[in-house]
Amino acid sequence: DAGVIQSPRHEVTEMGQEVTLRCKPISGHNSLFWYRQTMMRGLELLIYFNNNVPIDDSGMPEDRFSAKMPNASFSTLKIQPSEPRDSAVYFCASSLGVGELFFGEGSRLTVL
Amino acid sequence: AQTVTQSQPEMSVQEAETVTLSCTYDTSESDYYLFWYKQPPSRQMILVIRQEAYKQQNATENRFSVNFQKAAKSFSLKISDSQLGDAAMYFCAYRSAVSGYALNFGKGTSLLVTP
Repeated sequence: DAGVIQSPRHEVTEMGQEVTLRCKPISGHNSLFWYRQTMMRGLELLIYFNNNVPIDDSGMPEDRFSAKMPNASFSTLKIQPSEPRDSAVYFCASSLGVGELFFGEGSRLTVL
Repeated sequence: AQTVTQSQPEMSVQEAETVTLSCTYDTSESDYYLFWYKQPPSRQMILVIRQEAYKQQNATENRFSVNFQKAAKSFSLKISDSQLGDAAMYFCAYRSAVSGYALNFGKGTSLLVTP
């Protein structure tokens, strides 16, 4: 079975541009998470979906960030407009129940 | 919110030796899960080992084992017979079994393995 699939793996963009990160969770998993990793702040939870419903988005930095999960097999994280301080690795992870999280390979975002 | 503390930013071990990475956590819950994840330079997050809080027996996965002290809220990872491929960032993480909420991660410990 395929793991969590994220795209793109790398994204370089100019400040002010819109960025969309995509995630396909493991089939059958009912929870999906978006994390951001930086050297300064470590791994931060941005948003958590359960059965496609956002449960907690308190980690979303500001209104420039939005996330959707239109169905059980797809989620997006959008940043509009992007800023240099958004540069980070963004991870998507999924789980079934309360067990371990399975992570994608991450999307490295660089905003110039 | 539950906090996870890894007090060792960096550790070093010689090949074939044993190293222990420390982790403490703060919670008022009695039912939860603890995890160690490994992140090599490839940045992939890989599950190393998991421990259910209700289990008294310490989890073991080949060369990796934990020392789970529930009363002390301590969850250390022991790596035996260290190999060059063990070099990575190691993250300790907590997840509530009640709310099924997200993982809370520690800041990580960077492990260097020397020949």
